[in-house]
Amino acid sequence: AQSVTQPDIHITVSEGASLELRCNYSYGATPYLFWYVQSPGQGLQLLLKYFSGDTLVQGIKGFEAEFKRSQSSFNLRKPSVHWSDAAEYFCAVGARTGRRALTFGSGTRLQVQP
Amino acid sequence: EAQVTQNPRYLITVTGKKLTVTCSQNMNHEYMSWYRQDPGLGLRQIYYSMNVEVTDKGDVPEGYKVSRKEKRNFPLILESPSPNQTSLYFCASSADHRANTEAFFGQGTRLTVV
Repeated sequence: AQSVTQPDIHITVSEGASLELRCNYSYGATPYLFWYVQSPGQGLQLLLKYFSGDTLVQGIKGFEAEFKRSQSSFNLRKPSVHWSDAAEYFCAVGARTGRRALTFGSGTRLQVQP
Repeated sequence: EAQVTQNPRYLITVTGKKLTVTCSQNMNHEYMSWYRQDPGLGLRQIYYSMNVEVTDKGDVPEGYKVSRKEKRNFPLILESPSPNQTSLYFCASSADHRANTEAFFGQGTRLTVV
C-alpha cells in the first residue's frame, strides 16, 4: 500500500522568503502525485499534479514541485511567499491501478510572518 | 459553477443520536467519497462510491454508513455517533475512480460529538 510522509508539521517563513515543503512517498512504482492546499475554513484545492514526463511541474499561485524518483520525493516550492499563502498543505499519492483514490500525508501548516 | 456542497458546515451532537451529513455535486461525477481529517493524520478515506448503488469501504469505515441512490448525492450516516468520531469531514467527487482524475472537495463539516 502507498504511504506519504510530510516531515514538517509546522513551518514559519517571512513574507517574500522562499519556501520548500517536503513530501516523501512510498509506492512500488511511480505514483500519481499531488499537492493540495487548505485555507482556513475551506475545502482542499488542487495546487499541482505529476503524472509523467517533465519532473518539474508548475501549478497555480506560483507554486512548483519537483519529482525525484531516486529520493521518492515530491517537494513543493515557491520562490517568494505571500501572506495569503498561509494555509495547510497536503501531499497526496494515487495508485496507478486499483480502485483507489488518494492517500494523503499528515499535512504541513504554513505560517507567514510580515 | 462546479461545486461539491456539504451540509451542515458545523454540527454538535450527543453520543448515540443518529445524524446525516449530506453531500451533493453538480458535475455529473461518477466517483464520490468521504474523508475525515484529524490532526497529525491527514485525510483518511471512510467510504467511496464508484457509481449509483455501488459503494465500498475505505480505510476507516467503522461507525459509518453511506448510500448512493442518485448520482449527485452521497450522504454520510452516523447511526450512533461516539466522541471518537469528532472530526472534520470532507466529501469529494471526481469524474471516475482513477487516481489521475482531479478530485473536487466540499468545504467540510466540523462534527463534535459530546
